Order: sequence, then structure tokens, then C-alpha cells
Amino acid sequence: KQEVTQIPAALSVPEGENLVLNCSFTDSAIYNLQWFRQDPGKGLTSLLLIQSSQREQTSGRLNASLDKSSGRSTLYIAASQPGDSATYLCAVLFVDFNKFYFGSGTKLNVKP
Amino acid sequence: DVKVTQSSRYLVKRTGEKVFLECVQDMDHENMFWYRQDPGLGLRLIYFSYDVKMKEKGDIPEGYSVSREKKERFSLILESASTNQTSMYLCASSLDRGIEAFFGQGTRLTVV
Repeated sequence: KQEVTQIPAALSVPEGENLVLNCSFTDSAIYNLQWFRQDPGKGLTSLLLIQSSQREQTSGRLNASLDKSSGRSTLYIAASQPGDSATYLCAVLFVDFNKFYFGSGTKLNVKP
Repeated sequence: DVKVTQSSRYLVKRTGEKVFLECVQDMDHENMFWYRQDPGLGLRLIYFSYDVKMKEKGDIPEGYSVSREKKERFSLILESASTNQTSMYLCASSLDRGIEAFFGQGTRLTVV
């Protein structure tokens, strides 16, 4: 069975810090990996999509990298702000399966 | 912008009722998905559809059915609601497999 793991489960940092969220997956044969943000009681907002042929994607203060061979992706958030506080989820679409597998998320709290 | 709209943000239903959750997307996407999200269990796929009138079971289809009569609309049906179906339900759509997925705002269903 495919698995997606996110570490840490929770993270609390002071405003302004740069931080890294981790996502690992069990099979290197993937179509893509997508990072989402979820605010409490809300749906998921797509942040970044990395195709299997790509090494990284950037959007504003966010940068996501992908290393298929080691089964890892990282989401880098630069100069964190209180508005970044949310749960961050990664989802992997494996080649042999036609659905997304989600990690359990990292709950981020950025303190003013 | 892609918009995925779920018909209700909050629903309260009684045990045994037949419940309909509606999802509409406005970008002519081929693929649509229904997930439920529970604390400690993450997102789990209930059903998905890759075309009109086509459906496939996800990981937890028991107690649910779906309908996709038109491309833009994907309905989740709880045939006889039970208290263990109290959850956050999330609908998603994507243009194709391997393409970015977009989520609705979620429906918080409580079965009493």
C-alpha cells in the first residue's frame, strides 16, 4: 500500500523565520505531487503542483522541491507571517494508482 | 479561476435519512472526487469519476453512492445516514490525471 508521511505534525515558529515542511512517499513512480493549505473548517487551497519531471516550483514566498529517487518533497516558506498559520498537506499521485494519496498534514502556527 | 462549489457548508441530518451532497465545478474538468476528512484519519477517498455516468469506488465506499449525470456536477448520496458518517466532506475536480486538483470549501455534516 502506498503511504505519504508528513513531518512534523505540528510546528510553532516566531514571525519572520524561514521554515521547511517535509513530505515523504513510498514509491518513486509518481505522476505529480501537490501541496495544499487548509484553514480551520475550510476546504483545501492548492499552493504548488510539481510534475514528476520537475525538481522544484516557486510561488511568491513558497518553494517546493521534489526528489523522486529518495521519495521526498519539501515546502520552504520564506519570512513566515501569522497569516501563514494553517495546516499544510501534501498529496501524491502514484503511477500505479489513479487517485491522490494524502499525508496527514503539518499544522503550522506563526506567532506574531 | 477554477471554482468548485459545494451546495452546503453545514448540514444536520437525522439517522436513517437519505442525504444528498452536491458539488459543481465550472471549468469543464473530466475528473471529480469525493473525500471525507476526519481527525487522525486524514483525507480518505470515497468515490471518483473520470467521465459522465462513470464512477469508481475509492477506499471507503460503503454506505455511499454517487451520481454524475452531467460533467459539471457530482453528487454524493448517503443512502441511510448513520452517526459514523458525521464528518467533513470535500469535493475536488481536475482537468486530467496528473493535472492540478481543486477543492471545494467543504460540507460539515452532522448526523444525529
